[in-house]
Amino acid sequence: GESVGLHLPTLSVQEGDNSIINCAYSNSASDYFIWYKQESGKGPQFIIDIRSNMDKRQGQRVTVLLNKTVKHLSLQIAATQPGDSAVYFCAENSGGSNYKLTFGKGTLLTVNP
Amino acid sequence: NAGVTQTPKFQVLKTGQSMTLQCAQDMNHEYMSWYRQDPGMGLRLIHYSVGAGITDQGEVPNGYNVSRSTTEDFPLRLLSAAPSQTSVYFCASRGGLAGPRRELFFGEGSRLTVL
Repeated sequence: GESVGLHLPTLSVQEGDNSIINCAYSNSASDYFIWYKQESGKGPQFIIDIRSNMDKRQGQRVTVLLNKTVKHLSLQIAATQPGDSAVYFCAENSGGSNYKLTFGKGTLLTVNP
Repeated sequence: NAGVTQTPKFQVLKTGQSMTLQCAQDMNHEYMSWYRQDPGMGLRLIHYSVGAGITDQGEVPNGYNVSRSTTEDFPLRLLSAAPSQTSVYFCASRGGLAGPRRELFFGEGSRLTVL
C-alpha cells in the first residue's frame, strides 16, 4: 500500500508464491491506471494498465484489479520469481487535457529463493 | 531504438552552482516531463511540456527551469543548486495524446548530489 513518512512498504515472498501489491489512489476523477516496476538503479518500466470501465485485466503472470468504490488498485503476480524483486508503483490519470501521471509512493517486493 | 536518453547519469555539485540535465527522446513524443524521486516520496512532477514551445509547472517546480525548443529535447536547469535538490531525476515522455494509451516511457535517471 502507500507509505507514510520515509519508509517504503515492503512485501517479502518466497519464490513460486503469488504476490499481491496494493495501492490506494486519491482522485475519484481518475479513469486510467498503470502499474510500473522499478529495478534498482533503473527507470520505471510499464507493466500493465487498466481503464475505469474495467474491474480486472490480465497480462503475462500479472493481474490488475480495480475497485472504484473504495479507490483501490491491486497488482497480483503469479509464481513470483527472483527477477520480480523491485519497487512497484501505481499511477493514475484523469484524462481529457490532463496528461500528467500521479504516482503512489511504491512498495518494495523482495523475492526469497 | 534509444527511447529516452538522459545525461549525465551522475553529477556532484556545490551549493550555488548551476547545471543542466539533458533529456532527449527519439519517439516523436509530444509530451515530456521531469520527475524527481526521493526516498519514501515516490515520483513528484517538476515540469512538463505538451509540445515544442509549451511548458508548465508540476508539483515541485521551485528552483528549476525548463524549455522545449524542439520535439526531441527537454532540458532541466538548476539555477542555483541547493542540498534539498539532491535527488534522482527522471525524464519521461508520452506520445499519442489523443490516443487510448497514456503510459510514460522513462529514462534511466540522473543522480544528483548537492554538497
